[in-house]
Amino acid sequence: KNEVEQSPQNLTAQEGEFITINCSYSVGISALHWLQQHPGGGIVSLFMLSSGKKKHGRLIATINIQEKHSSLHITASHPRDSAVYICAVLPYNTDKLIFGTGTRLQVFP
Amino acid sequence: NAGVTQTPKFQVLKTGQSMTLQCAQDMNHEYMSWYRQDPGMGLRLIHYSVGAGITDQGEVPNGYNVSRSTTEDFPLRLLSAAPSQTSVYFCASSRFSGLYSGNTIYFGEGSWLTVV
Repeated sequence: KNEVEQSPQNLTAQEGEFITINCSYSVGISALHWLQQHPGGGIVSLFMLSSGKKKHGRLIATINIQEKHSSLHITASHPRDSAVYICAVLPYNTDKLIFGTGTRLQVFP
Repeated sequence: NAGVTQTPKFQVLKTGQSMTLQCAQDMNHEYMSWYRQDPGMGLRLIHYSVGAGITDQGEVPNGYNVSRSTTEDFPLRLLSAAPSQTSVYFCASSRFSGLYSGNTIYFGEGSWLTVV
């Protein structure tokens, strides 16, 4: 079993829909990252969380440390949100991130 | 700032050849790392460095070598390329090592490597 599990693996949506991507992990962590990988391959950081909730524009990320679970929400989705969204965790007392396999999102007009 | 610069973007190698993937950052980051990305798998750590002169192995270090002689540069060397090393490689950096959890990660654009 992978230490970081993302669901769903693939997601299609109509423009304007509310999107939720989930990330569950099995180890104690000091931080969790949400990343976005564009179709051309580049990876950008969206959020870094250690507790609670963060919001940036139409993106919201939450984390529940006790339940070892995080969610990434996209409100009013748009075709330009089409990308692979990757969850990565930093276990306690390490310098090594562990990555999920990603969620491929396609938003259609 | 250019961020994280990775070269080359595309490379085809013959089995047994050696090559170096270059990675440079201009943000004075302490932490630099190399990952490989294969279909159906998450990014996997090859090697990382928490500062100049300090490197350590990640999850999949075999067949790769690194050095960190300056803060800015962290090259990845393939010693004798094998078809199993066909992959997309990403360099990344952050201000401090992972023990400081409040750091944004910056990635290079990726290097597509094919070994035939």
